[in-house]
Amino acid sequence: DADVTQTPRNRITKTGKRIMLECSQTKGHDRMYWYRQDPGLGLRLIYYSFDVKDINKGEISDGYSVSRQAQAKFSLSLESAIPNQTALYFCATSDFIGETQYFGPGTRLLVL
Amino acid sequence: GESVGLHLPTLSVQEGDNSIINCAYSNSASDYFIWYKQESGKGPQFIIDIRSNMDKRQGQRVTVLLNKTVKHLSLQIAATQPGDSAVYFCAELRRGGADGLTFGKGTHLIIQP
Repeated sequence: DADVTQTPRNRITKTGKRIMLECSQTKGHDRMYWYRQDPGLGLRLIYYSFDVKDINKGEISDGYSVSRQAQAKFSLSLESAIPNQTALYFCATSDFIGETQYFGPGTRLLVL
Repeated sequence: GESVGLHLPTLSVQEGDNSIINCAYSNSASDYFIWYKQESGKGPQFIIDIRSNMDKRQGQRVTVLLNKTVKHLSLQIAATQPGDSAVYFCAELRRGGADGLTFGKGTHLIIQP
């Protein structure tokens, strides 16, 4: 969905490196989410934010951090990347809790 | 632990037939369910949703059925087309849930010509 964009779309990095994945949305939504997708495991929630001053840990937050720079921007950082963080990462937005979440195109990350 | 799961990892159907994708959930506190479609190389795309106070909801060529007694959710796609080929995920949101959606593992729908 072009309303939610993610950069980069693909990234290869080495163990121990710090990397940042960025998400921007033009939907005007307050709520933003970061998910990770692994084969056979579906999507799992990493962090979510209800507004610029609100950050919450999801199911698998260890090894990750986030920053909500503005209503439209939510970035995910891997402070020291490790190989088992190789996955597909999705950003999503929603208007209200319980309402539809709209997903970005994903970032494919490979940690060597 | 509580989870949302799908009965089959792969479902193969003939073009033109109806498809039924099933999902079982274990959290009785869940009150909102969504079906997403994910095509190769793309993010999940909303298909249809249903709240726990409903048993059935229809969209264009899709119907979602919710059976709260047995905690079962299904997605029916009428007259399946090649463009329906994708992975389908069910997701649940728990009552008062502030922690995002819980996704099932997905079912890969394959359309046979």
